[in-house]
Amino acid sequence: KQEVTQIPAALSVPEGENLVLNCSFTDSAIYNLQWFRQDPGKGLTSLLLIQSSQREQTSGRLNASLDKSSGRSTLYIAASQPGDSATYLCAVRSTDKLIFGTGTRLQVFP
Amino acid sequence: DAGVIQSPRHEVTEMGQEVTLRCKPISGHNSLFWYRQTMMRGLELLIYFNNNVPIDDSGMPEDRFSAKMPNASFSTLKIQPSEPRDSAVYFCASSLLQRRAEAFFGQGTRLTVV
Repeated sequence: KQEVTQIPAALSVPEGENLVLNCSFTDSAIYNLQWFRQDPGKGLTSLLLIQSSQREQTSGRLNASLDKSSGRSTLYIAASQPGDSATYLCAVRSTDKLIFGTGTRLQVFP
Repeated sequence: DAGVIQSPRHEVTEMGQEVTLRCKPISGHNSLFWYRQTMMRGLELLIYFNNNVPIDDSGMPEDRFSAKMPNASFSTLKIQPSEPRDSAVYFCASSLLQRRAEAFFGQGTRLTVV
């Protein structure tokens, strides 16, 4: 059974710092991995999608990497801003299912 | 496209009442997922459909929960009778059928059962 874990559970940093959020999964037989952002009381916004054959994806200040063999992905946020404050969730697609991690709650203070 | 549309956004109901949550997937998407999010358990997959057919409902907590997808543009999740422990945010998501496809989520329905 696929299990997805995210570390840390919460993170509070000053503006401008570069951040790394971690996601690990137990079964490396995945099709892709997706990173989402969730603002309080809101839905999930897709940030990046990495296919199993890819090593990384970039969008603006965000960079996500995937090491399928070790069951790990990282989301790198460069030059963090207060507007980046949200919960970040990773999800792996195993068979047809999208299995979510527990999330990292990020706060960036001015 | 307007994205995945869920209604209502908020629902408050009394214990024992029937609750129906609605979802309109992105046009052209043929996979649809229902998730429940709580503080204790995070995001849990309840059920998903491919081409309007339920594929896996193993996440549905009990018989009080049922889901239907009568056509490609509409799905419902029904709880009858509702209980206070059903209080959560329910999300609908859709994607293309391919397993490498990106999934898109609706804004969710916040259900409170009193």
